[in-house]
Amino acid sequence: GEDVEQSLFLSVREGDSSVINCTYTDSSSTYLYWYKQEPGAGLQLLTYIFSNMDMKQDQRLTVLLNKKDKHLSLRIADTQTGDSAIYFCAEKEIRGTYKYIFGTGTRLKVLA
Amino acid sequence: DGGITQSPKYLFRKEGQNVTLSCEQNLNHDAMYWYRQDPGQGLRLIYYSQIVNDFQKGDIAEGYSVSREKKESFPLTVTSAQKNPTAFYLCASIKRDGGGNTEAFFGQGTRLTVV
Repeated sequence: GEDVEQSLFLSVREGDSSVINCTYTDSSSTYLYWYKQEPGAGLQLLTYIFSNMDMKQDQRLTVLLNKKDKHLSLRIADTQTGDSAIYFCAEKEIRGTYKYIFGTGTRLKVLA
Repeated sequence: DGGITQSPKYLFRKEGQNVTLSCEQNLNHDAMYWYRQDPGQGLRLIYYSQIVNDFQKGDIAEGYSVSREKKESFPLTVTSAQKNPTAFYLCASIKRDGGGNTEAFFGQGTRLTVV
């Protein structure tokens, strides 16, 4: 079945760039997503990328997609303490169910 | 304001009891989902519903039940058959845009603890 994998933890210093990586298995995924979860809260959509794109930039966020390797990454420039959260990568099944397959989440800790 | 609301935020259950978690949305979304979140395991799909009066089991449906009598509401019942119910439960609804993309909107979650 489909699977989405992420490393569990990432620690960076304030002002540095953060890169969160994700690998997925469903090569037919049309959209891939990044969600952010702050402590005790639900998930908020950060950005998404369509599978025919290699890169998408949105202010401090850059998403890179390597479809051949099924690798997705999220780069956060000038990381701030408010960026500390869990980041989930997700792919969407294309069989019409709109089911999302989420990764395990990467907990980003930003050190002041 | 439009949104998706889960209640209660915290819920305590005695062993052997059934409890129902509420999820309401006023976004006019057709599809609604329940996920369970455990540390280090990400989100696992419990049940989902694409239209009123219809729902399907997800990956970990055992010990749970749902209903979808109204478009706005998708309550989840955690039954006594669920052996390890302590977790954070997230409800989501899906908006579909004209380009085929979908955006999942999440509630704030309910933390269920068995005491």
